[in-house]
Amino acid sequence: EAGVAQSPRYKIIEKRQSVAFWCNPISGHATLYWYQQILGQGPKLLIQFQNNGVVDDSQLPKDRFSAERLKGVDSTLKIQPAKLEDSAVYLCASSPTLAWNGYTFGSGTRLTVV
Amino acid sequence: QKEVEQNSGPLSVPEGAIASLNCTYSDRGSQSFFWYRQYSGKSPELIMFIYSNGDKEDGRFTAQLNKASQYVSLLIRDSQPSDSATYLCAVAGGTSYGKLTFGQGTILTVHP
Repeated sequence: EAGVAQSPRYKIIEKRQSVAFWCNPISGHATLYWYQQILGQGPKLLIQFQNNGVVDDSQLPKDRFSAERLKGVDSTLKIQPAKLEDSAVYLCASSPTLAWNGYTFGSGTRLTVV
Repeated sequence: QKEVEQNSGPLSVPEGAIASLNCTYSDRGSQSFFWYRQYSGKSPELIMFIYSNGDKEDGRFTAQLNKASQYVSLLIRDSQPSDSATYLCAVAGGTSYGKLTFGQGTILTVHP
């Protein structure tokens, strides 16, 4: 079973620029999550999708972050414009339905905003 | 009060010793509890989950849950240098229905 795929692995941008991250979940997994992990902290949920609908985006900074999951499969997370404090690892995870047995993370995208 | 709290450490133990990692949570409605291991520069990897009060053993790892005290722990027996990593506690259920809420992680160092 292929894992959760994310790209790019690394990205360096200047503040006020825009950036996009891509995630392809494990085949058949209905639920997809985007987390932000700042160095030295635990992952923080940004948005949760169930198929192509948003279940929870309460911690997504909607003035600059957006996410979509077209056709209930791949997902993209965008930041526009980026701030220095957005420097973090962005992790995508998926699970068959809900999180009761935990979920599998992708390798993450490390974003550095300079 | 943070939803999930862990001692950030670092916790240092000698090789062969038992490492004890602790986690408390605030939401009494939480139903599922997870331990993830994260090596430096890598993504979190699920190592154990527990739903019921008591102990759950898997090889050198034992997860312990006490819902009355809102406390979860992870014991690592015969610790090895390869166990050196950050250990993340996560909970699901209650206000975290359908998703995991993570603690800040505990850094474990096992020295030879």
